[in-house]
Amino acid sequence: DAKTTQPTSMDCAEGRAANLPCNHSTISGNEYVYWYRQIHSQGPQYIIHGLKNNETNEMASLIITEDRKSSTLILPHATLRDTAVYYCIVTGGGSQGNLIFGKGTKLSVKP
Amino acid sequence: SAVISQKPSRDICQRGTSLTIQCQVDSQVTMMFWYRQQPGQSLTLIATANQGSEATYESGFVIDKFPISRPNLTFSTLTVSNMSPEDSSIYLCSVDRADTGELFFGEGSRLTVL
Repeated sequence: DAKTTQPTSMDCAEGRAANLPCNHSTISGNEYVYWYRQIHSQGPQYIIHGLKNNETNEMASLIITEDRKSSTLILPHATLRDTAVYYCIVTGGGSQGNLIFGKGTKLSVKP
Repeated sequence: SAVISQKPSRDICQRGTSLTIQCQVDSQVTMMFWYRQQPGQSLTLIATANQGSEATYESGFVIDKFPISRPNLTFSTLTVSNMSPEDSSIYLCSVDRADTGELFFGEGSRLTVL
């Protein structure tokens, strides 16, 4: 699976959009980009995933560049409860159980 | 979504003892996965548990240390054997949803070895 690079930490003001970048320059054609988050003392939670098109769901939007070498997770109106570690993971098809979690980005939403 | 229950949620154990962690899922799943999260670290996959066959272990993890059972399609156990303080971690059970690719996690079992 391709390796990802994320900033160690980011701050965001409550109510503003949080934009979390991820670089995955070695991604291959059949690999998806997945985002998970882990709120303190809880198990990771799935957010969104995509292949090449931008995706949106009730939690977030995922913007993937045309060359697929990077992506951005957007939380449109961050709340204090969005404070968590956000993981960007690139993986091929099939079972998603063998995910390789990096260090992630620690997002702190401040009032 | 899948509801995953783990027991115990936390425990404090003595060096040299073993502890079995249970994972119950509210629906039948083919594969269940066990992860470890050491203090301040990210998650690492320990093994994949298939019903009716032996678990598949990742590099650095062996069956003697982390025996796994998978007696049916909704249940699995992970045993941490002959524990040492280095085994102090959160152990997480997870399952995937094939039609969407989502991975669901339990709340984890926080293990402290003294």
